[in-house]
Amino acid sequence: LAKTTQPISMDSYEGQEVNITCSHNNIATNDYITWYQQFPSQGPRFIIQGYKTKVTNEVASLFIPADRKSSTLSLPRVSLSDTAVYYCLVGAAPSNDYKLSFGAGTTVTVRA
Amino acid sequence: DADVTQTPRNRITKTGKRIMLECSQTKGHDRMYWYRQDPGLGLRLIYYSFDVKDINKGEISDGYSVSRQAQAKFSLSLESAIPNQTALYFCATSDSQVSNTEAFFGQGTRLTVV
Repeated sequence: LAKTTQPISMDSYEGQEVNITCSHNNIATNDYITWYQQFPSQGPRFIIQGYKTKVTNEVASLFIPADRKSSTLSLPRVSLSDTAVYYCLVGAAPSNDYKLSFGAGTTVTVRA
Repeated sequence: DADVTQTPRNRITKTGKRIMLECSQTKGHDRMYWYRQDPGLGLRLIYYSFDVKDINKGEISDGYSVSRQAQAKFSLSLESAIPNQTALYFCATSDSQVSNTEAFFGQGTRLTVV
């Protein structure tokens, strides 16, 4: 299982773009990169997943360089409601033995 | 109604008591997971089940047991609760035919052992 490293915390202000980088140096060929968001006292929520290059949805964008040893979750124009913990997971989607393992995540605090 | 339902939502129990946390899902997913979360920490995997006949230990299974009674039900038991099992517990499901990496979580069970 590829180990991931991400910052413990980040602070931002409303309207700014927040970029969270996750390092996964030993990512395997079949591994996908997945990000979750967790609000206080709620379960995590899947927000985006990618394999290479760039993925965008209504919530965020995910940038993955060619070597795939890192990835960056980008939250455009954050608001106070984006204050949450963000988790980066790496694993093989087709793998029968893949289990979802979460690290400590990055606590993003958005201030007015 | 929630797709992944945990009961109870809150529970206070005494040291040494046996307690069961229940999880049921209406999503038809084959895979189910139990996690615990302590304040300021991420989620740690306790047990996971890839189908009704498949149960696996996670990172912190000591002191816990599980039962997959049906595809839709996955229960977590604390045989003899101790105070350091006080935590927020989450159940999750995923569909291996769609994506092993997209999971859906319940609302959580806040357990306090006194």
